[in-house]
Amino acid sequence: EDKVVQSPLSLVVHEGDTVTLNCSYEVTNFRSLLWYKQEKKAPTFLFMLTSSGIEKKSGRLSSILDKKELFSILNITATQTGDSAVYLCAVEARRGSTLGRLYFGRGTQLTVWP
Amino acid sequence: DGGITQSPKYLFRKEGQNVTLSCEQNLNHDAMYWYRQDPGQGLRLIYYSQIVNDFQKGDIAEGYSVSREKKESFPLTVTSAQKNPTAFYLCASSQTSGISSETQYFGPGTRLLVL
Repeated sequence: EDKVVQSPLSLVVHEGDTVTLNCSYEVTNFRSLLWYKQEKKAPTFLFMLTSSGIEKKSGRLSSILDKKELFSILNITATQTGDSAVYLCAVEARRGSTLGRLYFGRGTQLTVWP
Repeated sequence: DGGITQSPKYLFRKEGQNVTLSCEQNLNHDAMYWYRQDPGQGLRLIYYSQIVNDFQKGDIAEGYSVSREKKESFPLTVTSAQKNPTAFYLCASSQTSGISSETQYFGPGTRLLVL
């Protein structure tokens, strides 16, 4: 059974701290790994990772994928209260040219205190 | 102003009632998806559609039905056979190339509550 596991499930930090969120997966026909940020409503896209060892960065956020060990991390440096959200990891599985589908983890609830 | 819209924002269902959740997109995306999210849980796939007039069951399709008569629209009906429908429902869409991975973009969601 395909599976995506995120850890920790919950994390509380103070502004300025650096956090690392983890995502491990066991998915057949892996194509890509995606990170989303969800604040009460629709998840918003952060990163898509397809190749091992290539870091993607956007401001204070960065992410990297290890396809050999089957995991990804999402780093947030100098956290701010606006970073408080649920961070979702999803893995795309696709066979050939058929439509890819996403398998989601349960998410990490990040709370940043001022 | 391109995007995905879902309506209503909140929906109340009585016992034995079928209700329909609307999802519309003007991104010209081929693929559309429906997910269910329960508290503390990840998103679970209900149905997805790659093209008009074609759709496939996801992991939790029982008690739900969909149609895809137009590229822009992918309504979800929660039938009376779904015994525990209270959840947050998210619609998503993506472009499909059949080759490369494409990001899924989400609508604002519909919260369904049972009376």
